[in-house]
Amino acid sequence: KAGVTQTPRYLIKTRGQQVTLSCSPISGHRSVSWYQQTPGQGLQFLFEYFSETQRNKGNFPGRFSGRQFSNSRSEMNVSTLELGDSALYLCASSSDTRQETQYFGPGTRLLVL
Amino acid sequence: KQEVTQIPAALSVPEGENLVLNCSFTDSAIYNLQWFRQDPGKGLTSLLLIQSSQREQTSGRLNASLDKSSGRSTLYIAASQPGDSATYLCAAAHYNQGGKLIFGQGTELSVKP
Repeated sequence: KAGVTQTPRYLIKTRGQQVTLSCSPISGHRSVSWYQQTPGQGLQFLFEYFSETQRNKGNFPGRFSGRQFSNSRSEMNVSTLELGDSALYLCASSSDTRQETQYFGPGTRLLVL
Repeated sequence: KQEVTQIPAALSVPEGENLVLNCSFTDSAIYNLQWFRQDPGKGLTSLLLIQSSQREQTSGRLNASLDKSSGRSTLYIAASQPGDSATYLCAAAHYNQGGKLIFGQGTELSVKP
């Protein structure tokens, strides 16, 4: 089976712009979670989607949003980018976040200038 | 609020040594605990998952244990190799938070030839 894929791998944006990141889960997995990783805060949970519904949400401002499509692919959008949004954004897929292993993609590295 | 702590933050050992990485969590209401490996600038690779009802899991030279009553997990690496050099992260899937992963800050391991 192919692993979790994320596109793009690298992105440079300027403050105030918006960005959309994409994640394709492992075939058959219906859960997609998003995490932000920074040197200062480590890995922090953004949100989880399951069967096109947001099932869980972390403590991030409303500028961070996401969605999931019927084929389980997920997108994450960040509007009005700030310098502090520079981070590695990771998505994870699972058949069941409560019981099964979560498999992570390679991440999208976002740099906001 | 679930907090996950990893000690030590960094560890340097000579090749061939057996070593133990520690992970502690404050709330024992977890679905499972996962150990991951992260190479610099890369995504996370799942190593082992221990369900809350299990005491340990083994994969090759790796053995992870879980003691919910004391809020601790350990990752034992036997006969370490330079290729084991990476950051090791533990993450607890918290029962009351929908299975989202709460990560520790990681232990950066360096195995010297």
